Amino acid sequence: AIQMTQSPSSLSASVGDRVTITCRASQDIRHDLGWYQQKPGIAPKLLIYAASTLQSGVPSRFSGSGSGTDFTLTISSLQPEDFATYYCVQDYNYPLTFGGGTEVEIK
Amino acid sequence: QVQLQESGPGLVKPSETLSLTCSVSGGFINDYYWNWIRQPPGKGLEWIGYAYYSGSTKYNPSLESRVTISIDTSKTQFSLRLSSVTAADTALYYCARRRRIAAPSPAGDAFDIWGQGTRVTVSS
Repeated sequence: AIQMTQSPSSLSASVGDRVTITCRASQDIRHDLGWYQQKPGIAPKLLIYAASTLQSGVPSRFSGSGSGTDFTLTISSLQPEDFATYYCVQDYNYPLTFGGGTEVEIK
Repeated sequence: QVQLQESGPGLVKPSETLSLTCSVSGGFINDYYWNWIRQPPGKGLEWIGYAYYSGSTKYNPSLESRVTISIDTSKTQFSLRLSSVTAADTALYYCARRRRIAAPSPAGDAFDIWGQGTRVTVSS
C-alpha cells in the first residue's frame, strides 16, 4: 500500500496567517491526490481533488499543488472557520490511503 | 440533494459481527462507488472498501478477510459487515460516495458526500 506522510502533524497559527501543509507519497501518484477538512464531530469535507482542483463552493484561499510524490495544501489567509484537521488521500491505486492528518490550532 | 445516513448497533461484542447500513436519499445509487471509511478515537481515517452499483467490490487488504460490503439498489442502501471484531475495530464509521468529478477541471475522483458517521464500540 502507498504510504502518505503529512507534515507537520499539528501547527499553531493566527487569523490572517499563510499556512502550508505538505503530504508526501511513498511512490509516484501523478496528480491523484485529494485534500479534506475535518472539524470535531463532523464528517470530512472535500476541499481539493486531482491535487489542485478546488471543489465547487470551497473558498479560493485554499489551494493545492504538487505532483508525483510531493504535494502542498496552502491556506493563503487563515480564517477562524479554518481551524480544523486536514487530511490528504491518494487515489492512484487501491487501497486508498490517507495521511495522518494535520491539526491547525489557534495561536 | 443527496444525503447519506448510517445506522446500526453502537455496541458490538468481541468476536461478533459488526453490521451497519447506509441509506441514500435524494438521489440515485447508480453509477457511483459507495464506500465505508472509519476513524478510531483520536486517530486518522482508514478506507475500508467500496461497493459499486453493479455489485462489484474492493476492500482494503488489511481487512479483506473479515469485511463484506453489499449494495441494494432497490432500497438505495448499502451495508458493511465486519466479522470477528476486536477492540481495535472501535471507531467512528462513515459511509461516503465516491465519484469522478469532471468540473471544475482538471477532473478527479473524490469522496464528495459523507454521512454524519456512527460510533461503534467493541466491548463485552
